[in-house]
Amino acid sequence: AQSVTQLGSHVSVSEGALVLLRCNYSSSVPPYLFWYVQYPNQGLQLLLKYTSAATLVKGINGFEAEFKKSETSFHLTKPSAHMSDAAEYFCAVSGGGAQKLVFGQGTRLTINP
Amino acid sequence: DTGVSQDPRHKITKRGQNVTFRCDPISEHNRLYWYRQTLGQGPEFLTYFQNEAQLEKSRLLSDRFSAERPKGSFSTLEIQRTEQGDSAMYLCASSLTTPQGTEAFFGQGTRLTVV
Repeated sequence: AQSVTQLGSHVSVSEGALVLLRCNYSSSVPPYLFWYVQYPNQGLQLLLKYTSAATLVKGINGFEAEFKKSETSFHLTKPSAHMSDAAEYFCAVSGGGAQKLVFGQGTRLTINP
Repeated sequence: DTGVSQDPRHKITKRGQNVTFRCDPISEHNRLYWYRQTLGQGPEFLTYFQNEAQLEKSRLLSDRFSAERPKGSFSTLEIQRTEQGDSAMYLCASSLTTPQGTEAFFGQGTRLTVV
């Protein structure tokens, strides 16, 4: 069984500040981990993915995430927030044959000018 | 490549009516997934196909729900006798299985409102 916990349903940062969105996972098999972003009334866009290669993963729009097996974490960071980063962010885990995604409940990121 | 396409984008229906949604995946993708997303929640897995075979169904998929993927191309999701609790965003995703795992590409979703 797999599960994802995103700590903080709402995160608010100032423009130019560090963005840190937290994700912890549970998986009985070696996990693949993903971060997706969703804008209002839109589908999900992949930001980055971890598939057992490098533990520090770089994605689009300046985001990166680090896989820490000992902490079962996959936190998403961006050094400097931009107004266009305001959206809902979802962490997801998959593994096993079906490779279906199990999502966290999401974190809404607000950027203050 | 135009990505994953879903139709319609929005559907309002009266309780008790049947509705059908369509998903056109990325053409070379062999896997197709349906997810449901309610307000303020993450998407939840409903079912998936590998080519034309439906290989897994979630317990969320009651007997009022049926999905097909004829010929392994587009897919349809039908909900019979809709209930207010069916109101949600229905997301379709497709992927190509590789040794490095899969990367799912999502459509823009169909938002269903049952009144």
